[in-house]
Parts: sequence; C-alpha cells; structure tokens
Amino acid sequence: GENVEQHPSTLSVQEGDSAVIKCTYSDSASNYFPWYKQELGKRPQLIIDIRSNVGEKKDQRIAVTLNKTAKHFSLHITETQPEDSAVYFCAATAHGSSNTGKLIFGQGTTLQVKP
Amino acid sequence: NAGVTQTPKFRVLKTGQSMTLLCAQDMNHEYMYWYRQDPGMGLRLIHYSVGEGTTAKGEVPDGYNVSRLKKQNFLLGLESAAPSQTSVYFCASSTLAGGTSSYNEQFFGPGTRLTVL
Repeated sequence: GENVEQHPSTLSVQEGDSAVIKCTYSDSASNYFPWYKQELGKRPQLIIDIRSNVGEKKDQRIAVTLNKTAKHFSLHITETQPEDSAVYFCAATAHGSSNTGKLIFGQGTTLQVKP
Repeated sequence: NAGVTQTPKFRVLKTGQSMTLLCAQDMNHEYMYWYRQDPGMGLRLIHYSVGEGTTAKGEVPDGYNVSRLKKQNFLLGLESAAPSQTSVYFCASSTLAGGTSSYNEQFFGPGTRLTVL
C-alpha cells in the first residue's frame, strides 16, 4: 500500500549546525509534499511544501528538495536555533487525493537543537 | 476566526464506555479528517469526509465511527472503548485545490488526549 518512510527518527545537533531529514514515498502519482512542525503539546503546523513540478523550494532557513525519479524528498534547516526543536513530519498526497485531499504522513523526526 | 477547534481536550474512559469527539472549523473547508497520533507512528488517518453528509474510511477505521451532518462539524465516535484506543486524536480540515491556501494544506485542531483504562 501507500507508504512514506522518514529518517532519522531522532536527530540531535548543535545550535548553528544544519539538520537534514529525509523521506521516501511509494506512490509515483504523489504530487504534493508538505512538511509539518509539531512543538511539544501543540498541533502540527505547515512550515513548507513543494509540488512535483519543482525541484527545490526555500523559505529563509528552511528548504525542501524533491527527487521524483528516486521518489524521495528532504527538509534542510540551516543555522539551527533552540526554537527549531520539535517533531517534524513529512507527508505525500495519497491515491485519489485530488478529490479527497488525503495525505500519508511519515513517522516523524524528533529534532533537538542543543544551545 | 477560531480555525479548527476540538472538544474535549482530555478524557479518561473505562474499557467498554462510549464517547464522541467533536471537531469544528469556521473556514468553510470541504474536507475534514480524523487522525490518531501514537509515539513513533506518525499521524494515521482514521476517517475522513469530502463534504457534508459524506464519510469514508482511512487507514485505521476499526472501532470508530464518524458523522458529518453539518459542513463545519465532524464527529468521531467510539462505541466501546478499548485500551488500544489510548492516543492523541487530531482533527484537520482543508479546502479544495486552487483555494487561497496551499494545495492540500491541512489545518489541525489542538488535539484530544484520550486514555482508556
């Protein structure tokens, strides 16, 4: 069935370093790939997304890259700050999502930024 | 504009009890979703709705029922709660592609933490 694999499950970096989280997806028809950030005890919130007709997208310190051939996409955070500490989820559109909006989520990555 | 709201925020049930979780959104979104979040397993889709009066099964629907009698509300029911249903439940909504928000961006509620003893 449809699947999104996310790695690593935990990531610890020093403040100022970069962090990279990777996801692979199984459905070649997936065409939208959002990333959500969830702070402790809070709701997931969209931080960046990319569509299948784009290879890279940046927003200040965060960027997402997409390799459709290999069916994987990555989140890059540069100059990490303690407030970047959170759980990050990748997602991909599911089969039939054009009529349902369904997303398949990865398992999540807990990012810890040490001051 | 409250966005997506959920009630209750916390609940403790005994095995076999029933309850209903309420999700409400004031963004006039067509699509609504119920997820459960368990450690190490991400967000798993329970049921979803593409419009008033419609519902469909997601990835983990067993033991749950839903109803969408009004466009703004999406109810999740547990008829006979089991300890395996201990989880954090999130409701989300999104609009049709091409709307003012990002394609398929889902807006989440604050969550309901449910414990079944």
